[in-house]
Amino acid sequence: DQQVKQNSPSLSVQEGRISILNCDYTNSMFDYFLWYKKYPAEGPTFLISISSIKDKNEDGRFTVFLNKSAKHLSLHIVPSQPGDSAVYFCAAYGQNFVFGPGTRLSVLP
Amino acid sequence: GAVVSQHPSRVICKSGTSVKIECRSLDFQATTMFWYRQFPKQSLMLMATSNEGSKATYEQGVEKDKFLINHASLTLSTLTVTSAHPEDSSFYICSAIDTNTGELFFGEGSRLTVL
Repeated sequence: DQQVKQNSPSLSVQEGRISILNCDYTNSMFDYFLWYKKYPAEGPTFLISISSIKDKNEDGRFTVFLNKSAKHLSLHIVPSQPGDSAVYFCAAYGQNFVFGPGTRLSVLP
Repeated sequence: GAVVSQHPSRVICKSGTSVKIECRSLDFQATTMFWYRQFPKQSLMLMATSNEGSKATYEQGVEKDKFLINHASLTLSTLTVTSAHPEDSSFYICSAIDTNTGELFFGEGSRLTVL
């Protein structure tokens, strides 16, 4: 039973447009959520995080939204750039870490 | 689906002792595995890249003599924290790349507490 789900394995977006990556979770005890970005042949790098006491956190082109009642979070990238093409992992932290399966984002020039 | 298993999930040890954490890919082969350290409410820090049959590649600032990594088979990598001190207390997380598909899977982490 997956506690953290990323139901879209892939997403294609035109350069300059908004990319929205979604993540759903089942455990209401998670109190911290993170997004990681991974390029091929590299380890994941931290992107942005949000505490469960907040509903939005913004860092430059990246914004994470948290809807606790729906157990849903999303990562918005505006404007999308070709260099954003990567696999994005959503992770949740409670007593341990649970990672989603990832969504491959392709930003088309 | 593919699973990456870490053992132990929690370990408490005395200062000065060494602790070994295992990372296993249960149903796929992983030529490459990664080890991370996670402090509470902070970002995941990549410690090293572990390649089967060769020496691990450590990130800058990570002491390779303190954090020994061995990737002796295509399904197992181990991280040994040598002469552990309280400041080594942390979550240690591994991930593994499925050699056939290129997908990355994470373990659930091992919580180390050094007294």
